[in-house]
Amino acid sequence: NAGVTQTPKFQVLKTGQSMTLQCAQDMNHEYMSWYRQDPGMGLRLIHYSVGAGITDQGEVPNGYNVSRSTTEDFPLRLLSAAPSQTSVYFCASSPTGGNQPQHFGDGTRLSIL
Amino acid sequence: AQSVTQPDIHITVSEGASLELRCNYSYGATPYLFWYVQSPGQGLQLLLKYFSGDTLVQGIKGFEAEFKRSQSSFNLRKPSVHWSDAAEYFCAVGALGNEKLTFGTGTRLTIIP
Repeated sequence: NAGVTQTPKFQVLKTGQSMTLQCAQDMNHEYMSWYRQDPGMGLRLIHYSVGAGITDQGEVPNGYNVSRSTTEDFPLRLLSAAPSQTSVYFCASSPTGGNQPQHFGDGTRLSIL
Repeated sequence: AQSVTQPDIHITVSEGASLELRCNYSYGATPYLFWYVQSPGQGLQLLLKYFSGDTLVQGIKGFEAEFKRSQSSFNLRKPSVHWSDAAEYFCAVGALGNEKLTFGTGTRLTIIP
């Protein structure tokens, strides 16, 4: 039972490069979300989706795009990476909503030079 | 807007001693409250949750938490900690009809022999 799978686990980018962080879940969960974790700031919600074709902004959406074409996948796109986007990114999912227990992936550690 | 405060950034306890991690929340309606644990290099794992009913909730790994509405608190406790409990602990708040889960900044727990 894979749960929530994030790829890659580590990535280094140069300022201005673009990248897509992948997230896939095999639990048929409707709700998926992306968080970034920074020291002393906990986890902050970037974007979330309540189902295929539906996305919305979280607390810190600037610089990030998402789409949800299938129930299983919820990729996060950085169109033009900036050093301020250096962080650990977590994808999470739950059966029905953001107010339910979340299943987390193991994270992607991203460094922007 | 909902918010969560974890006033202790870092706590050190001796193995076998009792533990209490503090969490205070701010939300107008009845909150949904969660505690998650994060081991180094890993994603977050749910320890326990409170939605309604009995204000003392039991979780995994011997943890419990008590919801106190009058104090807007949801403190996490364990009677006797083990070295394997060393990790970072996050409190989170959600609510019915709200798809955004808000996390606290976390408390790092160190266990000494």
